[in-house]
Amino acid sequence: GAGVSQSPSNKVTEKGKDVELRCDPISGHTALYWYRQSLGQGLEFLIYFQGNSAPDKSGLPSDRFSAERTGGSVSTLTIQRTQQEDSAVYLCASSLTSGRSTDTQYFGPGTRLTVL
Amino acid sequence: AQSVTQLDSHVSVSEGTPVLLRCNYSSSYSPSLFWYVQHPNKGLQLLLKYTSAATLVKGINGFEAEFKKSETSFHLTKPSAHMSDAAEYFCVVSELGTYKYIFGTGTRLKVLA
Repeated sequence: GAGVSQSPSNKVTEKGKDVELRCDPISGHTALYWYRQSLGQGLEFLIYFQGNSAPDKSGLPSDRFSAERTGGSVSTLTIQRTQQEDSAVYLCASSLTSGRSTDTQYFGPGTRLTVL
Repeated sequence: AQSVTQLDSHVSVSEGTPVLLRCNYSSSYSPSLFWYVQHPNKGLQLLLKYTSAATLVKGINGFEAEFKKSETSFHLTKPSAHMSDAAEYFCVVSELGTYKYIFGTGTRLKVLA
């Protein structure tokens, strides 16, 4: 069956521009997660969705970052006024149930963001 | 607070020899532990997970890991390395009552012909 998909796979943007990254989770998965993978910081949690609600936004690095999820499915991560330190691979994951520690998270291939 | 330490950033083995990737964790409550593999320019793929059932966990592609509470370890092993095993491996902890994955810094495995 289809896995988690993300688009675009690569995004190059200029400093100060806004970008939108999209995630399509596995059909039927109620939980969705965003992570960031960067050279200096490793893999960091950004935000968690349960259905369309985001009970945990604690990992968002600044108010330039926001995310939404609609219809319990697709999610969009938006970065406003991008900075060079935002350059990273943004990974999306989904899991079948609503955020238990035993859940397996299934990851998409990621979006590589480069801010010039 | 939970954390995970991968003791080696790089490991090199010859094809056909055993693989050992080390992981130690810290967790206040019953943890769930996972190993993921990431091939170049690919997403993370689950190799195996421990969720308080059997302490020896078998995963895909011949990998296995043993949960040792007394040593707070969850080392990943494979009896015989294959060239296709060359990748980066991440140990992950998730604490009971939470959903957040805490990742180790990764171990890059190189397999020599």
